[in-house]
Formats: sequence, structure tokens, C-alpha cells
Amino acid sequence: SQQGEEDPQALSIQEGENATMNCSYKTSINNLQWYRQNSGRGLVHLILIRSNEREKHSGRLRVTLDTSKKSSSLLITASRAADTASYFCATDPPGTDKLIFGTGTRLQVFP
Amino acid sequence: DADVTQTPRNRITKTGKRIMLECSQTKGHDRMYWYRQDPGLGLRLIYYSFDVKDINKGEISDGYSVSRQAQAKFSLSLESAIPNQTALYFCATSDGHPATNEKLFFGSGTQLSVL
Repeated sequence: SQQGEEDPQALSIQEGENATMNCSYKTSINNLQWYRQNSGRGLVHLILIRSNEREKHSGRLRVTLDTSKKSSSLLITASRAADTASYFCATDPPGTDKLIFGTGTRLQVFP
Repeated sequence: DADVTQTPRNRITKTGKRIMLECSQTKGHDRMYWYRQDPGLGLRLIYYSFDVKDINKGEISDGYSVSRQAQAKFSLSLESAIPNQTALYFCATSDGHPATNEKLFFGSGTQLSVL
């Protein structure tokens, strides 16, 4: 079964708006990562947040992690048409030694 | 990521055929993975390898086999392809060091269609 589930499944916004995607997971984790996938292409790592961190920033990306709620959010500020992609969270539960991916959020940014 | 190369990019085959998907990497990573992606299901792990002598089953290994020919090469085989193995297949690598890089580097994928 999937460890992570993203919400919403799909999101459409206008350029300049902020996009927020959420990820919920089931077990304890070592870290949580966010990846981006352009249509039909390989995934690209965006940001990693460790279980003892609560917030992390990278450029226009802001990730939060709430381990008590087993959830994370990815905020893309001032979105651009080029941000159109699918976004996946992935977790690294202790003892599993591998990443488990969620089902993804499809983001469409209209010019 | 050009450092992780998958061949072929696309393949159409018939039910019952044996198929091999290949992956090579120039990143020098020990860990390599095979995932499949189906619409609405995200990525699911098929097999993974932490070094040349180490092979591990993932969530959905039935109907698949792998070979780690060298540190840089990890191939996935479908011994007798069936239509529900139609999917987008990804190879990925990582250096697996918890203190630094646990992130994965993905190839561009192989779209496999089994008719």
C-alpha cells in the first residue's frame, strides 16, 4: 500500500498565485522528500526535510513537516507556467532503507 | 538526469515475449532501483540493489527479475510479458549516505506497452 498520499490530486492556478500541496503518510519516518516530474519524464529531487526539522526553504519552495500529524506541505510561491508538473512526496521509514512514493499532485499553472 | 541512462526509451511488445530494460549510470552510486509508474498510483518499487552482490525485492517483484552486472549497470527483465505490465519504468540511483544524499536520481524512463 502507498505510504504517502498527496492532496489535492490536481490543482489549477494562475501565474503569480501560490500553490500548496499536502502529503500525509502512515508510519514514522527518517525524512521526507519532494520530487517534481514533468510530463512523462524522470523525477527530479526538489527538497529534503528531516524528521527533526519543521520547515525548510529553497528558492520559491517552502516545505513544512508535522510529524505529530504525519503530514507535510509544499508551498510554491509566485508560481510560473514552467512550474506545471506533477509533484510527489516520498518518505524513508526507519528500517526500510528505501524511498516510498505517494500518488502525486498534478499542478497546472496558466499564463 | 543524463547521468542515469535508460534504454530503450519506448518499447512495444507482445504478450509472452521476454523483455529486458537496461539502466546505466555514471554517478558512481552503489544503490540502484527499478520503479514502475501507473496513472494514479504513483511510483512502486520493483527491485533494488545496494551493491553488485545485493539484490532485494520491492513491493511488486512478481513477474520481474533483475541483474546487477556491475556497479554502473542494473537491468530489469520481464520473463514473459503480460498486458498489465504496460507502464512507465524508471531506474534510479542514490549514494545512500544518510548524513548527506539520500535523494534519488532518475533516468528518463522507458515506456513499455505489452499488447
